[in-house]
Amino acid sequence: QKEVEQDPGPLSVPEGAIVSLNCTYSNSAFQYFMWYRQYSRKGPELLMYTYSSGNKEDGRFTAQVDKSSKYISLFIRDSQPSDSATYLCAMSQFSGGYQKVTFGTGTKLQVIP
Amino acid sequence: EPEVTQTPSHQVTQMGQEVILRCVPISNHLYFYWYRQILGQKVEFLVSFYNNEISEKSEIFDDQFSVERPDGSNFTLKIRSTKLEDSAMYFCASLDRGYETQYFGPGTRLLVL
Repeated sequence: QKEVEQDPGPLSVPEGAIVSLNCTYSNSAFQYFMWYRQYSRKGPELLMYTYSSGNKEDGRFTAQVDKSSKYISLFIRDSQPSDSATYLCAMSQFSGGYQKVTFGTGTKLQVIP
Repeated sequence: EPEVTQTPSHQVTQMGQEVILRCVPISNHLYFYWYRQILGQKVEFLVSFYNNEISEKSEIFDDQFSVERPDGSNFTLKIRSTKLEDSAMYFCASLDRGYETQYFGPGTRLLVL
């Protein structure tokens, strides 16, 4: 079983739709849960991160973590064409005092005007 | 807002040649990382660096790779004898003392011919 599983998509939605992106993981040692957005041929851009189970909201974005189910989600409300990108979930653990991040494969999102 | 920078943005080299990829992490960060992303694939951890030494390296980071922090600002990845399969985007990331999240640079696209 992979440490982090993410549906690669692609996911196409009409403008204004609510988007739900998800990842599952198997490693209980993960402590931080992040979502990165990556535009084509660019570096990952941090969107949100959470430490504990529950919800965290930032504008149109809501990150949700359920540690008991080992499941994280990112919701995008009122999706815009500019949200079209690949969304990477990432999870980190600390080993020997430093952080190690494991990425999902990314879900490619297209928001159609 | 502080950001991680990388140079060059693109590098084309012949197989067997040495390349040096450069990164300037965020100034107060203490932990530094290199990742690789082959086109269409997931972001993969290469190496982490702290206190002027390697903290951890992946199986990808073999003897042809090395990292260095030659001065107080730069962090470099050297590939001694490039192979065709080294063609990828290489991302540098840095992390501050607060153990929160890594911030990524825009990447260097390496093409080995």
